[in-house]
Amino acid sequence: NAGVTQTPKFQVLKTGQSMTLQCAQDMNHNSMYWYRQDPGMGLRLIYYSASEGTTDKGEVPNGYNVSRLNKREFSLRLESAAPSQTSVYFCASSEGRGWGGELFFGEGSRLTVL
Amino acid sequence: AQSVTQPDIHITVSEGASLELRCNYSYGATPYLFWYVQSPGQGLQLLLKYFSGDTLVQGIKGFEAEFKRSQSSFNLRKPSVHWSDAAEYFCAVGAGAGGTSYGKLTFGQGTILTVHP
Repeated sequence: NAGVTQTPKFQVLKTGQSMTLQCAQDMNHNSMYWYRQDPGMGLRLIYYSASEGTTDKGEVPNGYNVSRLNKREFSLRLESAAPSQTSVYFCASSEGRGWGGELFFGEGSRLTVL
Repeated sequence: AQSVTQPDIHITVSEGASLELRCNYSYGATPYLFWYVQSPGQGLQLLLKYFSGDTLVQGIKGFEAEFKRSQSSFNLRKPSVHWSDAAEYFCAVGAGAGGTSYGKLTFGQGTILTVHP
């Protein structure tokens, strides 16, 4: 009954360091998403993957890269972290086309960049 | 492009009082509308959704929402608030089938609900 699992839950980086956030879902969903949440700004879409083998930019993709490793896993990479990337990151999944975009979320990963 | 506005950043109510959280959306066609709730330190949980049909939709935890096309609104209501309802609430809009944004949601800024005993 895991749903969407994100790791790590907390991370502190120094400016310029790199890291990867991992996400896995066990619901056999086709689509996966990465959002960031900042106070007063709601959730903003970074990247999404409509199906295995495809990825597309969302609203705020700069400074990030993604990999859809297989149907279950979707990772988010920060190549050179900046303080502006301090945020809470959420991975989500949905069954995909035909479900109208209902998303299932992980518990979030809190990233601080010093 | 679709957008969502939640005019109230923070609302405080007393336990047992009624609640209405406002949501206005902008979208050219019939939208898919959602309300999510986020408890502190947690991910988002779906409260209810509107795709089509009856404009009054029922959700979990006693919440309901009404879709009003003429006002571009999808307000969330609850007749009697419980202390456990204290959380942040997000309205979201998604594109329907055939839209280029299909499957992606745009979220409002969120409304923080505080419940006084």
